[in-house]
Amino acid sequence: EPEVTQTPSHQVTQMGQEVILRCVPISNHLYFYWYRQILGQKVEFLVSFYNNEISEKSEIFDDQFSVERPDGSNFTLKIRSTKLEDSAMYFCASSEGPTGGYTFGSGTRLTVV
Amino acid sequence: SQQGEEDPQALSIQEGENATMNCSYKTSINNLQWYRQNSGRGLVHLILIRSNEREKHSGRLRVTLDTSKKSSSLLITASRAADTASYFCATITGGGNKLTFGTGTQLKVEL
Repeated sequence: EPEVTQTPSHQVTQMGQEVILRCVPISNHLYFYWYRQILGQKVEFLVSFYNNEISEKSEIFDDQFSVERPDGSNFTLKIRSTKLEDSAMYFCASSEGPTGGYTFGSGTRLTVV
Repeated sequence: SQQGEEDPQALSIQEGENATMNCSYKTSINNLQWYRQNSGRGLVHLILIRSNEREKHSGRLRVTLDTSKKSSSLLITASRAADTASYFCATITGGGNKLTFGTGTQLKVEL
């Protein structure tokens, strides 16, 4: 069964540092997403990406966030200057089409200290 | 108001019983999906029901959709301890490009 792979599984970083979360979506999927889940809270949409550009982003996805698809397989989320409130589980997902089911990765637990 | 409110927030049942979770949403949708999340893990897609469908089955799962009431239910029949997890409904709106998740139901199935 194809899967979405996320690395690292856990990242601890100092406040103010930059982090890059990495994802390898399913190879024939065209749509990519980042979500986050603060401990005990709901899963929140951050950004969707299609055809090498952002197709939609939430109000959470401000200037400190960016996404990139640097090659044919990786999809990254960069947080430029981390804050304590960025501590959360970050999930990458991909889908074949814009309205189908998503396949999620296992997540990266980001802890900002 | 939130797109995707679920009830109950928590449900505890005995193995072998059926579990029913409900989801209500606010805006018109293209489809509604249910996902499962084991503690601290990723989300697993369970089933998708389109706005023109009323009921769908997959194994022990049965999903209904009532677009007039903007609600859906997920029924898990003959539950097992391994079904213990959080279950989320998520919607894709008509012109939308993203899944919006509900608040989730924590299901505990006891032996």
